[in-house]
Amino acid sequence: EIVLTQSPGTLSLSPGERATLSCRASQSVSSQSVTSNYLAWYQQKPGQAPRLLIYGAFGRATGIPDRFSGSGSGTDLTLIISRLEPEDSAVYYCQHYGSSLGTWTFGQGTKVEIK
Amino acid sequence: HVQLQESGPGLVKPSQTLSLTCTVSGDSLTSGDFYWSWIRQTPGKGLVWLGYIYYTGNTYYNPSLKSRLTLSVDTAKNQFSLKLNSVTAADTAVYYCARANPMIVDFAFDMWGQGTMVTVSS
Repeated sequence: EIVLTQSPGTLSLSPGERATLSCRASQSVSSQSVTSNYLAWYQQKPGQAPRLLIYGAFGRATGIPDRFSGSGSGTDLTLIISRLEPEDSAVYYCQHYGSSLGTWTFGQGTKVEIK
Repeated sequence: HVQLQESGPGLVKPSQTLSLTCTVSGDSLTSGDFYWSWIRQTPGKGLVWLGYIYYTGNTYYNPSLKSRLTLSVDTAKNQFSLKLNSVTAADTAVYYCARANPMIVDFAFDMWGQGTMVTVSS
């Protein structure tokens, strides 16, 4: 099972700044047998369920602003929020679907605070 | 617009069985190739996927909980359910039902219930 480690634990930035969130996998999330990395990113605000932002490492989910983007491959995946807005204050999780095991795992989360 | 809603007791005694139901509205849970899942969240362990059920009744469980977990589906009621037996305080968590969508979002969870808090305590 792949272990996902997110960093930093907390990110404190001002509106308009760029946020770079890291998700490091214990094994490559890329597979030669499938075209997808099966790596997703979610945003969770207090008292709410997680909301899907990015799927397949790069795809933006329906209704997600284009200031959110995903990049990376192999063991190093990144979520970028290009221009932070106050409503982006939340915890962000990466998640991987392991097609060989048929299981899903989550990272421990990165909290983004807006100053 | 598909919506998921969890329901069930908020308090369960140790050693008893935790039972939750997820009601799907806005579409039939048999309408597509979806993996209807349960996920729980605790401050200590974060988000943990528990298992999924397909509308045919096929299931797959997280190996760490496989011995205690049973998922079922009722297509007539458009619901799927979770039973976790022999609970302890470690099972105290917010439980979410969610939909994994293999075709559109590469097995990510594109729909979630609002979550329900379950406390295991005597």
